Amino acid sequence: AQSVTQPDIHITVSEGASLELRCNYSYGATPYLFWYVQSPGQGLQLLLKYFSGDTLVQGIKGFEAEFKRSQSSFNLRKPSVHWSDAAEYFCAVGITGGGNKLTFGTGTQLKVEL
Amino acid sequence: EAGVVQSPRYKIIEKKQPVAFWCNPISGHNTLYWYLQNLGQGPELLIRYENEEAVDDSQLPKDRFSAERLKGVDSTLKIQPAELGDSAVYLCASSGQNNEQFFGPGTRLTVL
Repeated sequence: AQSVTQPDIHITVSEGASLELRCNYSYGATPYLFWYVQSPGQGLQLLLKYFSGDTLVQGIKGFEAEFKRSQSSFNLRKPSVHWSDAAEYFCAVGITGGGNKLTFGTGTQLKVEL
Repeated sequence: EAGVVQSPRYKIIEKKQPVAFWCNPISGHNTLYWYLQNLGQGPELLIRYENEEAVDDSQLPKDRFSAERLKGVDSTLKIQPAELGDSAVYLCASSGQNNEQFFGPGTRLTVL
């Protein structure tokens, strides 16, 4: 069965600093990969997704992620963090032929210091 | 375009009481999902509908949980009776042909 690991439970960065959130997945074939963001009391919003093709994926709000098959990773990056980026971030994996079933990681809580 | 609508947003009940959550997906989305999100965890799929058919309910605790999507549009998730461990956020999502899932704001359930 597929699984997702987000090793960092909490991350604190200063506003304007760069950000990288780690995500490792376990799946035997090429997965579909997603990053979602969840603000307090809100549902999840899709930031970006990888299905195939270019391994560097651009998303909304200035985020990008890179799929590295050799490392089974799909890390999320942003060159300059804004205070409004403070939220919880979830990485998810979907499997081919899995009926769009997503398996989520446990999330990384991002705090932004002004 | 309206997003996924869920109600109520918050619910507090005593254990052993029944509770129901309602979800209205994005118009035209045939696939509807119910997820459970415990505190500090990612969402876990409970059930997935394709139109009115439940095609994946393997993670739904069927002794106390039930769901329906009678006309293939809105859906109801029910717990009867509720237990203390059911306190969580219940998320509904829907997707169309491109399989991108859109999430509602969730219902936060507290069982006392």
